[in-house]
Amino acid sequence: DTGVSQDPRHKITKRGQNVTFRCDPISEHNRLYWYRQTLGQGPEFLTYFQNEAQLEKSRLLSDRFSAERPKGSFSTLEIQRTEQGDSAMYLCASSFGQPYGYTFGSGTRLTVV
Amino acid sequence: GQSLEQPSEVTAVEGAIVQINCTYQTSGFYGLSWYQQHDGGAPTFLSYNGLDGLEETGRFSSFLSRSDSYGYLLLQELQMKDSASYFCAVNYGQNFVFGPGTRLSVLP
Repeated sequence: DTGVSQDPRHKITKRGQNVTFRCDPISEHNRLYWYRQTLGQGPEFLTYFQNEAQLEKSRLLSDRFSAERPKGSFSTLEIQRTEQGDSAMYLCASSFGQPYGYTFGSGTRLTVV
Repeated sequence: GQSLEQPSEVTAVEGAIVQINCTYQTSGFYGLSWYQQHDGGAPTFLSYNGLDGLEETGRFSSFLSRSDSYGYLLLQELQMKDSASYFCAVNYGQNFVFGPGTRLSVLP
């Protein structure tokens, strides 16, 4: 059990470019979550997977955002046509069984310039 | 809507006891959780209250009163390493709504 891994740790991109982040959850965890956190704020829920099925999406997740978990293991979050407002820390978390007690990864910090 | 309020900053000295409050204007949630986050680090789960009352985990305790729309995290025997941000969060099924966080500074 190496915890939740996220890659890359940091990403700087130009406005209008597409970016993709990867999350590897704890291997036995069937639930995977994506959150976004801006400086000085709490995490905001984006989306949730149980195994490979995306069961819930926040209204925050615009059409430019898409997430996948193709084999029920790792997940990717893609942002198309990035905007400066997308600059944030993108956190992935996983759990098994109870929804509370997530294990969060260290996040990917996105800066859009 | 869903709204949680926390004090933005709290300062205490090493060895002391500190209480971080969380008030909310929402209902129908399953439980109240607390997370700790050091600067640049991942949020780390501390405790969960599914029912009203007190939950104790080592130096940390958490309390929930649904009738008062109020919860708190109590940290005892403060240590320097407890300096961090603390977030309360309510969950509606699988997703959590987090509060704005309280920055705790522990002074020597």
